[in-house]
Amino acid sequence: ETGVTQSPTHLIKTRGQQVTLRCSSQSGHNTVSWYQQALGQGPQFIFQYYREEENGRGNFPPRFSGLQFPNYSSELNVNALELDDSALYLCASSPREGGRTEAFFGQGTRLTVV
Amino acid sequence: KQEVTQIPAALSVPEGENLVLNCSFTDSAIYNLQWFRQDPGKGLTSLLLIQSSQREQTSGRLNASLDKSSGRSTLYIAASQPGDSATYLCVPTGNQFYFGTGTSLTVIP
Repeated sequence: ETGVTQSPTHLIKTRGQQVTLRCSSQSGHNTVSWYQQALGQGPQFIFQYYREEENGRGNFPPRFSGLQFPNYSSELNVNALELDDSALYLCASSPREGGRTEAFFGQGTRLTVV
Repeated sequence: KQEVTQIPAALSVPEGENLVLNCSFTDSAIYNLQWFRQDPGKGLTSLLLIQSSQREQTSGRLNASLDKSSGRSTLYIAASQPGDSATYLCVPTGNQFYFGTGTSLTVIP
C-alpha cells in the first residue's frame, strides 16, 4: 500500500460528457501529478500541482484541468470526453516539488468512454 | 525533452534465471531514478530509488545501477519467479517523472 488513494476505480462515460477523478495523496506530500496511460503505452504526464498551484503541464488540451486542495488531495477534470480519452489515469504524490524525492502512485482509475 | 528507452520491450524466461533489464535516457540532468513494476491494469509499485549521487541500490533479489553521465540504468533480477511477471518501468526524474513503455516480463514456471 502506497497511501495514495484514487476514486473511482472504474468509470464508464459517454462521449461529450464531463468526468471528475479524485486522488488522496499520502500524508505530508504536497506535490501531486496526474498521468494518462493508454493500453500498451507508458504513462503520459498531464500536469502537476505543488501547494495548490499548477507548476507543470504536459501536452494535453485545456479540457483537461485540475485542482489541488489545502489538504493536498487533488482532482482531475476532463470536459467534452472523446473516445481516445479511454485510459488508465494515475495519480502520484511526493513530499516535495517535482521529482526531487520518491514518488508513490495510486492504483489508478480506469475510464472508458463509449 | 527527456526520452526514455527500455530494452528489451518484452522478455520471456524460465523460472530461476537471472535477468538484466536495460534503460537509457537522453537528459542526464536528473534528481533520481526509480524503477517501478506494473501489473496489468494496475498502478505502479516502487521497487528501487537511486539518487543521482548514487551508483546502485539493492532490495532483496533486485539490484539497480545508475550511470548518470552516460544516461543508463540497469535492473538485475536474481533467481526469477513467476510472481515477477509484470511490466517494469524505469523513471528518471527531473521536474517531472519521465516514462518509456517499459519491459514486459513473463517468467514461466
